[in-house]
Formats: sequence, C-alpha cells, structure tokens
Amino acid sequence: DAGVTQSPTHLIKTRGQQVTLRCSPKSGHDTVSWYQQALGQGPQFIFQYYEEEERQRGNFPDRFSGHQFPNYSSELNVNALLLGDSALYLCASSRGTSGRAVETQYFGPGTRLLVL
Amino acid sequence: GQNIDQPTEMTATEGAIVQINCTYQTSGFNGLFWYQQHAGEAPTFLSYNVLDGLEEKGRFSSFLSRSKGYSYLLLKELQMKDSASYLCAVPFMDSNYQLIWGAGTKLIIKP
Repeated sequence: DAGVTQSPTHLIKTRGQQVTLRCSPKSGHDTVSWYQQALGQGPQFIFQYYEEEERQRGNFPDRFSGHQFPNYSSELNVNALLLGDSALYLCASSRGTSGRAVETQYFGPGTRLLVL
Repeated sequence: GQNIDQPTEMTATEGAIVQINCTYQTSGFNGLFWYQQHAGEAPTFLSYNVLDGLEEKGRFSSFLSRSKGYSYLLLKELQMKDSASYLCAVPFMDSNYQLIWGAGTKLIIKP
C-alpha cells in the first residue's frame, strides 16, 4: 500500500522565481492538504483540496495556489518567491467521504525548499 | 481564537518514562491528535483522542481531559529512536478540515 509521495525532495530557487511541488495521496484517500513548516515550528495550514476544488484556505497570500487532479494528486504553486518562503512543505492526505467529521491526516516526506 | 501550548524541549534517559503535555484553548472541541516528527522528516500519526481518558498503544499512551483543555503523551521504556519532536494538533473549529498545530516538544533521549 503506497503511502503519500511528494516530489521533489529538495529544491533551491532564487527570489522572484516560481516553484511547483507535487503530491500523490495515500491509496484510498481523496483529500489533500498542504502545510508549510518552518524550522522549529509546527506546520501551518496552507489549503486543502477535495473533489478538485479548494475546500479550505489558511492565512497565506494569493502567491500560493494549488490544483487537484482527477486522480486526487495535487500540486502546490508558489509565485514570486521570497526568502521567507524557505521551509519544509508537507502534503497530507485523508479520506474526505467517510462521513466522520475529522479524518486522520497522513503526511508525505515533504519538499525542502530553499530560496536564495 | 485557538491556541496550543507545549514545552519546547524535554530530556529523558533511555529506559525511563516521560510525559509530554499539551494544553489547548478552543471555542469548541473535536478531538486532539499527537504526531511524532524526526528531524527533517514528515510527521507520523500516533493517536487521536476525542473522549476523556487514557488510550494505550504499546509503549505510547495518550490522555485527554476536555474539561481542563489538557492532553499528554506518555512514552514508556524510552529508546534512543524516540528522540524526535512530538506535536499536538486540534481541528480548527471553523472547519474540521484544518488542523491547528503546537510548535512541538523536542524530546532528547540520553543513554
């Protein structure tokens, strides 16, 4: 049973550039959430995708956008990169249709982004 | 608003027991998660408590008191591999889809 996968594992960009990160959810999961985690901090919620639509968004600027594909995989795009965007970007998948109010989220290995 | 507090760092000895506390303030409550995160890796799910009391899973147990807004993670028979950060998280009450996370407790295990 494949877990959550993310690519790439590491990325180095310069200020002003754009980046796309990719995530494939765990088998049987249809919901993908994206988080940003700075060193020594807990993850910060960016947004969640379900049925190819953004269902919930955290307190992040419009430079952060995403997409979910029919196979439930997802992309996170960040435009006009800033130094402060350097962080570990985590993707988490869950089941969105079980009827339970809260579903456990399972994380991928993350993409470490460094902006120079 | 919602707020989660955890100690920043704890140190314990191999073979011992350690309790990691988490206090939360929410306008409502819909469960509390504990995750383990090794340095440079993704968080891995440990437990989810929605009712008061202690839930045991092998060497790890998690306790919840909803009236006190308090939870703890109890780790027994500590092993060196338990050195990691332990994060608690609660669903954001405006939406069950979003988790609010504590900053994590870095646990250092010494021989």
